[in-house]
Amino acid sequence: AQSVAQPEDQVNVAEGNPLTVKCTYSVSGNPYLFWYVQYPNRGLQFLLKYITGDNLVKGSYGFEAEFNKSQTSFHLKKPSALVSDSALYFCAVKNSGGGADGLTFGKGTHLIIQP
Amino acid sequence: EAGVAQSPRYKIIEKRQSVAFWCNPISGHATLYWYQQILGQGPKLLIQFQNNGVVDDSQLPKDRFSAERLKGVDSTLKIQPAKLEDSAVYLCASRPPGTSRYNEQFFGPGTRLTVL
Repeated sequence: AQSVAQPEDQVNVAEGNPLTVKCTYSVSGNPYLFWYVQYPNRGLQFLLKYITGDNLVKGSYGFEAEFNKSQTSFHLKKPSALVSDSALYFCAVKNSGGGADGLTFGKGTHLIIQP
Repeated sequence: EAGVAQSPRYKIIEKRQSVAFWCNPISGHATLYWYQQILGQGPKLLIQFQNNGVVDDSQLPKDRFSAERLKGVDSTLKIQPAKLEDSAVYLCASRPPGTSRYNEQFFGPGTRLTVL
């Protein structure tokens, strides 16, 4: 069975500094990886995905993620953080087999950007 | 385009009562998912539909949870009877059609259930 680990419950970054939110995964077969963001009282919003190809994936709101197969990681990054980036971030891997393609999520990381 | 719609947004019930949630996916999305998100955890898949057929319900507690998508469009998720541990946000998501199964899912705002 596939799994996702987000080792940090919370990440604190000063506005304007680069940010990284960590994610590692475990799958059998090719990994299909996603990042979602959740703002208070709102549903999950898609940020970016890795399916195949370039290891650096660019997504919404200036976010990007680096896929590293040897380290089984898919860390979310942004060169310069904004206060409005403060939210709950989830890494997820797509299930596979028999047409089932729901997502397995990590527990989430609270990102707090300090002015 | 309109997003995934869910209702109600909030529900408070006593344990052992029944409750139902409704979801209307994005128009044209044949695949629909229900997730349970307990406070402090990531969402957990409960069930996946393709049109009106169930693709994956391996994590659905079938002794108390049921779901249907009779006409292949909107869907209902029911809990009967509810337990305290069912307190969570129930998220509905849908995915665009096509040959690729790796399109992203679009999530609704969720229904927050509190069981007292």
